[in-house]
Amino acid sequence: ETGVTQTPRHLVMGMTNKKSLKCEQHLGHNAMYWYKQSAKKPLELMFVYNFKEQTENNSVPSRFSPECPNSSHLFLHLHTLQPEDSALYLCASSSAGEAFFGPGTRLTVL
Amino acid sequence: GQNIDQPTEMTATEGAIVQINCTYQTSGFNGLFWYQQHAGEAPTFLSYNVLDGLEEKGRFSSFLSRSKGYSYLLLKELQMKDSASYLCAVRDQVNKLIFGAGTRLAVHP
Repeated sequence: ETGVTQTPRHLVMGMTNKKSLKCEQHLGHNAMYWYKQSAKKPLELMFVYNFKEQTENNSVPSRFSPECPNSSHLFLHLHTLQPEDSALYLCASSSAGEAFFGPGTRLTVL
Repeated sequence: GQNIDQPTEMTATEGAIVQINCTYQTSGFNGLFWYQQHAGEAPTFLSYNVLDGLEEKGRFSSFLSRSKGYSYLLLKELQMKDSASYLCAVRDQVNKLIFGAGTRLAVHP
């Protein structure tokens, strides 16, 4: 148990669907991240929130929309995705030290 | 720009020692991290260096030289379960954690 939870663990969606990924951390951290990991590619940083404020948007397409209502919760809203968006989506949180990762959501876009 | 380099793949023998190198060029530096990731799982934290020198933690050690932009992860007494990807990551001055592509380590009997 790392203290970072993600739901759902697996998601299959069509290109016209709208879905949301949820991340929750119980570690008192002030920064939360969304990463994308595609097969045989490095972890790609998508979004960073520090104290609920978005500090980084790494040229991510607008079909991905993050939301951070408070320092413990982070969402990634998905709409009109493409098959190439299929990947493992990892949430992480940190303060001054190491980042802790959630188990990830395995997303498949048909 | 941000750049973190590490070898793509390495192989080693059970019981041996292996060193995985990482070089980095980033916008500021607030620490270097090593993570282990088994296939299909999330990365798990191994070590953290913010000052120059060696940090030892059981069978794993990590070294940092900030002036050279260089780190290595040393794994001793290798076990089969150490077969995994090892990710080098640097935190920059705005709290962004940037990852390298990872090194896939295969441990053979």
